[in-house]
Amino acid sequence: NAGVTQTPKFQVLKTGQSMTLQCAQDMNHEYMSWYRQDPGMGLRLIHYSVGAGITDQGEVPNGYNVSRSTTEDFPLRLLSAAPSQTSVYFCASSRDTTYEQYFGPGTRLTVT
Amino acid sequence: GQQVMQIPQYQHVQEGEDFTTYCNSSTTLSNIQWYKQRPGGHPVFLIQLVKSGEVKKQKRLTFQFGEAKKNSSLHITATQTTDVGTYFCAGDSGNTPLVFGKGTRLSVIA
Repeated sequence: NAGVTQTPKFQVLKTGQSMTLQCAQDMNHEYMSWYRQDPGMGLRLIHYSVGAGITDQGEVPNGYNVSRSTTEDFPLRLLSAAPSQTSVYFCASSRDTTYEQYFGPGTRLTVT
Repeated sequence: GQQVMQIPQYQHVQEGEDFTTYCNSSTTLSNIQWYKQRPGGHPVFLIQLVKSGEVKKQKRLTFQFGEAKKNSSLHITATQTTDVGTYFCAGDSGNTPLVFGKGTRLSVIA
């Protein structure tokens, strides 16, 4: 099993550009989520999904879109990148919130 | 909404000293999880506590869940340089997404 994979590992964007961060898992987990990690702020939930076709907003959803067309994939779209979105982004999956979360290796994003 | 507070934010210890991080929730939790993130890495699950007053041990690590299920602690006995990293607690109140604390960054001086 590859677990949770994320691409790309690093990305530099200019303000206003859009892009999609990819996340995939091969553990047949229903629950998937996106977090951003900023210094001193811990892990903040952006969006999450409890199954294919179902998504919901987390703590900091503004500027991000998600979709869940399959159980395996949960891409995160930045609509118009802003410097405030410079962060490390982690995708995670689990059976549900009462089980351990498996995190991907992260994407380090810089917006200039 | 639910908040999870974690203290201290940073802790520097000499190798061999003990270390404790504390986690407090604004609401009663159905379970609490602990994660470790090494520098430059991703969070890795350590343990889950579910029962009121539960205590679990993993070698030199001791995890406790409070009687009221609103607080938890992680204690490391005789720290080693391999313990370096950030420790996060995360709790959920039942059918809600996990809420993570801001973490405690542990530095160990050899």
